[in-house]
Amino acid sequence: QVQLVQSGAEVKRPGASVKVSCKASGNSFTKYDINWVRQATGQGLEWMGWMNPNSGNTGYAQKFEGRVTMTQNTSIHTSYMELISLRSEDTAVYFCTSGAGDGYNFGSWGQGTLVTVSS
Amino acid sequence: DIQMTQSPSSLSASVGDRVTITCRASQRIDTFLNWYQQKPGKAPKVVIYAISHLESGVPSRFSGSGSGTDFTLTISSLQPEDFATYYCQQSYSTPFTFGPGTKVHIK
Repeated sequence: QVQLVQSGAEVKRPGASVKVSCKASGNSFTKYDINWVRQATGQGLEWMGWMNPNSGNTGYAQKFEGRVTMTQNTSIHTSYMELISLRSEDTAVYFCTSGAGDGYNFGSWGQGTLVTVSS
Repeated sequence: DIQMTQSPSSLSASVGDRVTITCRASQRIDTFLNWYQQKPGKAPKVVIYAISHLESGVPSRFSGSGSGTDFTLTISSLQPEDFATYYCQQSYSTPFTFGPGTKVHIK
């Protein structure tokens, strides 16, 4: 399994943007899609989108279309999720997770990045 | 979008109990059904993938079954470390939706 390490917590004003990074260990970067999932405090898991590291293809949940962009820097094995036009409802822990294998399961997860949106 | 439902939303159980959580998809999802365990302040962890496959390192007291739209996660003998929230998830089509979760409490 790949190890995923995310960037630290962020505090943003409404209307700002945030970019969270997710670094994959070793040589496993191209073996797994990177998916992003968020979780508001006390709430369930919400899938935001995915990126294929080989093709660079992305797919986003309709809810986030136009506000989210997933990118990567293959030379440093790092994926990014940028969310713009932040609002208080975007306050959540954001996880990157690998997707692959039978059932296309999310086998590895980053530790999570808390993004707080507050004026 | 495929909707996932789970029942119960929470349950209280004792160590040693057999626990069953059910998950239903709004349409058929082939074998693209996974179960995750999440403890407070931690990232989720896959316990069962592709309906019934036990993730490496997960105790054999966990098992999964089902087909079509109806699926089940069973813990045969609940242990203290199993108290957590469990989510089912479909990865048949995007958006990859999760169930609302089942919180397993200590009785």
